[in-house]
Amino acid sequence: DVKVTQSSRYLVKRTGEKVFLECVQDMDHENMFWYRQDPGLGLRLIYFSYDVKMKEKGDIPEGYSVSREKKERFSLILESASTNQTSMYLCASSFGQEYQPQHFGDGTRLSIL
Amino acid sequence: AQSVAQPEDQVNVAEGNPLTVKCTYSVSGNPYLFWYVQYPNRGLQFLLKYITGDNLVKGSYGFEAEFNKSQTSFHLKKPSALVSDSALYFCAVRDGSNYQLIWGAGTKLIIKP
Repeated sequence: DVKVTQSSRYLVKRTGEKVFLECVQDMDHENMFWYRQDPGLGLRLIYFSYDVKMKEKGDIPEGYSVSREKKERFSLILESASTNQTSMYLCASSFGQEYQPQHFGDGTRLSIL
Repeated sequence: AQSVAQPEDQVNVAEGNPLTVKCTYSVSGNPYLFWYVQYPNRGLQFLLKYITGDNLVKGSYGFEAEFNKSQTSFHLKKPSALVSDSALYFCAVRDGSNYQLIWGAGTKLIIKP
């Protein structure tokens, strides 16, 4: 069964901390995505990666960075966490020309105190 | 500007009755349309997509959606609802020249026994 795995389901951090969210996919997909989900706002794209070391900014990249050193792993980094980054974070992947996400992880609910 | 509207925050349907979850969109080019479902405390799952061809698209779990170009709509339907269909449903759209999806805010579907 295909799988996108996010390292944590729940995470609590403090304001100002550097936070790492990890995502691994086992489908050899070229494309990986990080989304943020907030009630009433749907999903908002933070970053998209279409290949190793390649990335594109999404709708809301401010305050975030990403790393893709290996094809299967896509990391989201909150450089200095703030309370307005409290949210559900979803990682997703897709192959080749399918630029829309096909498979999602279960999400990480991040709370910044 | 591209946009997606899901006019109903919540839809209530009795088990066994047909269900419809509404979606309208606005894009500048040819639309690529998608439906996703999110079960409680889980990531999203892809249901179906329309790229081109037959206006009636069949997807997973017995769902289908009808593309209506004149009304710029892509409503999700199922002939007979199950309690297990209770979930949050998202409509999304992109035009053919842009990789980014625009997401609706989501519709909570509640199926009552």
